[in-house]
Amino acid sequence: DAKTTQPPSMDCAEGRAANLPCNHSTISGNEYVYWYRQIHSQGPQYIIHGLKNNETNEMASLIITEDRKSSTLILPHATLRDTAVYYCIVRVPYSGGGADGLTFGKGTHLIIQP
Amino acid sequence: GAGVSQSPSNKVTEKGKDVELRCDPISGHTALYWYRQRLGQGLEFLIYFQGNSAPDKSGLPSDRFSAERTGESVSTLTIQRTQQEDSAVYLCASSLLGGRLFFGEGSRLTVL
Repeated sequence: DAKTTQPPSMDCAEGRAANLPCNHSTISGNEYVYWYRQIHSQGPQYIIHGLKNNETNEMASLIITEDRKSSTLILPHATLRDTAVYYCIVRVPYSGGGADGLTFGKGTHLIIQP
Repeated sequence: GAGVSQSPSNKVTEKGKDVELRCDPISGHTALYWYRQRLGQGLEFLIYFQGNSAPDKSGLPSDRFSAERTGESVSTLTIQRTQQEDSAVYLCASSLLGGRLFFGEGSRLTVL
């Protein structure tokens, strides 16, 4: 089973910030939080990852709570092309695969409304 | 190419036939993963290869499923005696050890 919990779906207005939550209450100290997204009929795409500090790149920002039990992915100015399923996963880098290594749950289906 | 390449992109087969799905990882990526994604579902881990180490086959759903990879090159996922429940998109991903995953576009398998 996935080690993360996400809402099944969310709506966001175009141009607004989309904030996608993820709970990972059983995360261990050496596990990173990764976010991927999957646009319809495409393979998943990496977005961002982090350990405990907040991270930002050209696609998104990742806010991780101090206790690391939850995080939020922020798309600052959502566009229609951001409509996708967003997956939050936790893993230890430099580890193998396995059922725990990179298990993707059902993610959050983010729908950007025009 | 620069990305992960999978073939065929679409495969329709009859129940009971064997199928082979191919994955060409990004050059230099030591890790290779296979996932299955049924319609409307999340990604289900199948198998993981890392360099010349023994593969992690813990996600394979039955002995009808097998996969091979020679060194750090192409991988083939084989499904024998296909069943209708095998219908899904089969996704391959590669990465550097511990790095982020790069996914292919998947192979859509339909078993009639």
